[in-house]
Amino acid sequence: GQNIDQPTEMTATEGAIVQINCTYQTSGFNGLFWYQQHAGEAPTFLSYNVLDGLEEKGRFSSFLSRSKGYSYLLLKELQMKDSASYLCAVINTGGFKTIFGAGTRLFVKA
Amino acid sequence: SAVISQKPSRDICQRGTSLTIQCQVDSQVTMMFWYRQQPGQSLTLIATANQGSEATYESGFVIDKFPISRPNLTFSTLTVSNMSPEDSSIYLCSVPGGEGETQYFGPGTRLLVL
Repeated sequence: GQNIDQPTEMTATEGAIVQINCTYQTSGFNGLFWYQQHAGEAPTFLSYNVLDGLEEKGRFSSFLSRSKGYSYLLLKELQMKDSASYLCAVINTGGFKTIFGAGTRLFVKA
Repeated sequence: SAVISQKPSRDICQRGTSLTIQCQVDSQVTMMFWYRQQPGQSLTLIATANQGSEATYESGFVIDKFPISRPNLTFSTLTVSNMSPEDSSIYLCSVPGGEGETQYFGPGTRLLVL
């Protein structure tokens, strides 16, 4: 079967660092995405990993281990506006079909 | 990148009625996707709409309930038929980017069925 697991909720403090983990089991793999979604809005793209390793983009970094079926999103210098849901998504081979995890709701407190 | 618009942005409907949601893309795309996001849940793919062929539905979704049209490479509609309160959700259309690129989402249609 196909499955993407990520924690349901996390809470962190403004200015801190938080790591959101994602594990996946899919029938094919052509890359992993992280999206941010604020309440009532459409998801917006954060990062894309297709090779093992760390991709850094400003305050956000994303890591992938294909052999372990594992990724994490690292958010540094947290801001209140980072309070949102973070969706881990895997794109299958040969069809651009994306499978989404249930999302992790991050609450950033002062 | 692609810019996607959806109509209506939101609606409140009575059970038993149907609503057609429109999705317009500013460029020609072969595939368009329709997703549903129920309250507090992640995105679930309803179907893939390909121009010139029947839409491909995911498990749990059927054409009678969610008929889709794809008359050209920039436009698609999704109809939610014979609605019930369980259909209250956000419906999003999206298109794929190129290889290794993100998927682009429309702003969503927020549907409340009473």
